[in-house]
Formats: sequence, C-alpha cells, structure tokens
Amino acid sequence: GNSVTQMEGPVTLSEEAFLTINCTYTATGYPSLFWYVQYPGEGLQLLLKATKADDKGSNKGFEATYRKETTSFHLEKGSVQVSDSAVYFCALPSGNTPLVFGKGTRLSVIA
Amino acid sequence: DAGVIQSPRHEVTEMGQEVTLRCKPISGHNSLFWYRQTMMRGLELLIYFNNNVPIDDSGMPEDRFSAKMPNASFSTLKIQPSEPRDSAVYFCASSLAGSRNQPQHFGDGTRLSIL
Repeated sequence: GNSVTQMEGPVTLSEEAFLTINCTYTATGYPSLFWYVQYPGEGLQLLLKATKADDKGSNKGFEATYRKETTSFHLEKGSVQVSDSAVYFCALPSGNTPLVFGKGTRLSVIA
Repeated sequence: DAGVIQSPRHEVTEMGQEVTLRCKPISGHNSLFWYRQTMMRGLELLIYFNNNVPIDDSGMPEDRFSAKMPNASFSTLKIQPSEPRDSAVYFCASSLAGSRNQPQHFGDGTRLSIL
C-alpha cells in the first residue's frame, strides 16, 4: 500500500529560522497529500493539503508542494515562531485506509 | 461549532479492569476513526466506521479490544480486561465520507494508564 517517510526529529530551531521537514511518499497513482500538526496535549489537526501534482498547499505561513518527480511533499516555513513547536505528520490515503500517517517530526522552537 | 468530543480525558485504572472510552463525532460527519498513539509505535489506526458500520478493524490489537457505534453521534472503544501495555493516548476522529480529500477532525484524546 501507499506509505510516507518523514525525517526523524527532533528538530530544534531558533525563532525566525527557516524550517524544512522532509516527507517522501510511495503511492499508486496520485493521491491527495496532507500535513497534520499536533500541539502538546491536543489531537492532530489538518495544517494543509494538496490534491494533485504541482499543487501547493499553504496555511499559517507553512507551505508544501506536491512534487511527483521527486515523490516529495516537504513542509516549509520561512520564519518559525515559538508557537510552532509541535509534532508534524505527513499523511496520504492507502487502499481502504483513509489516511496513513508518518511517524511524526517533533519541532522545538526556542526564543 | 463543537469539535470531536472524547471522554474521559484521563483514565487511570488497574490491570484487569474494564475500560470504556467514549466519542461524540462532529454532527453531520459519517466516518469515525479510533487511533492509538504511543512513543514506540506512533499513531495506529485501530478501527473505522462509515455510516455506523465497521469497515476495517484490522488494526484492533486483540480480542480484548472492541468498538461499537450504535448511532451517528456516539461510539465507544472498550478494553476488557485491560493490561499495562494498553497504556497510550487514544484518539477519536471524524470526517465526511465519500472523498479522499476530506480531512479528519481529531478529539483531544483520552490518556489511559493501566497500572
């Protein structure tokens, strides 16, 4: 089935630094791709999505572009804030499973 | 609007006891998912329902686990008997079925500790 591989964390950055969290996928066809974020003590919430190749999803200053040539969906933000500290999950549908999640990447942003 | 509501938020009990976790999905959503999250295994899908019918329960770890959805606004996940290795955060999520583009909306989880 389809799967995603995320870079392992934790990632520690200073405030205003540039963020990249890598995500590559293996899939049959071109499924929608998602990034979810989990803040401490909360459930996951959708951050952004892209539904077809070359689409760019964006939200709250985060962006990710669906690249079929490199089978990637890397998450980027130009200037992180302390409030961005969270765990980030890449995900896609697979077969009968509506969403398959990566293992998550923990981001810590320090002032 | 109310999101997915889970109860209890925290549960501490002794091994061998029955544990029941509850979930109220977002009104109008017709898909419901139960996940388990641990440091070792990450986020695992246990079971999901479409229109109150279980579609895939292959993630349910053992017969000690069971889930029901008696109506569109309520679901339970039961563990009987509970064991220390069941300690985890259990999440319920809901979404609109019928499209792979629909996001899942998660509750804040139940943190379960089995002593």
